[in-house]
Amino acid sequence: DSGVTQTPKHLITATGQRVTLRCSPRSGDLSVYWYQQSLDQGLQFLIQYYNGEERAKGNILERFSAQQFPDLHSELNLSSLELGDSALYFCASSVSLSIGDDGYTFGSGTRLTVV
Amino acid sequence: GQQLNQSPQSMFIQEGEDVSMNCTSSSIFNTWLWYKQDPGEGPVLLIALYKAGELTSNGRLTAQFGITRKDSFLNISASIPSDVGIYFCAGPLTRGGSNYKLTFGKGTLLTVNP
Repeated sequence: DSGVTQTPKHLITATGQRVTLRCSPRSGDLSVYWYQQSLDQGLQFLIQYYNGEERAKGNILERFSAQQFPDLHSELNLSSLELGDSALYFCASSVSLSIGDDGYTFGSGTRLTVV
Repeated sequence: GQQLNQSPQSMFIQEGEDVSMNCTSSSIFNTWLWYKQDPGEGPVLLIALYKAGELTSNGRLTAQFGITRKDSFLNISASIPSDVGIYFCAGPLTRGGSNYKLTFGKGTLLTVNP
């Protein structure tokens, strides 16, 4: 157990729907990162939050949004889902705003299947 | 942006063989990280490298930080079936002098035949 908790583990939904993925960071970690993993694109950085504030944005679609709550858990919202959004979505956390020399800790991921 | 080119894409080996994979970049990194992802799990950190030329071991794994700071390799000796998985190299991108996110190679899928 990495200490980073992601729910749900699997999600199957139809095109056009909206889903919310949840992440609880490791105890003491203030930064949360969201990554999308697909077969052809590998691990793609989506967005980072630190202590409730958005700090960095990557290749995140406008249909996607995220937030980090006062208790530091984070949610990734995906709307108007398309078949191509099917992927593994990972949350990772680290202690500080800046990545420490040991990188960060990943959760087990949410596998999203859009049908 | 900074991209990491990882090779080979996949490897099929027999149990007991040694494995080598590498990662290159057109940009300099101040840290190289190697992760392993087991099926159905998130990536887990194997080895972190902090200095050019550094050679670091973790059990049967050995990794080196290239002297140019633009490459790194990972070796696995005497492979066993549980070495199966995807191996990623990663490096932090910097902004304002701080490391702010990790960029990943596309991974090397390792299959070990018992």
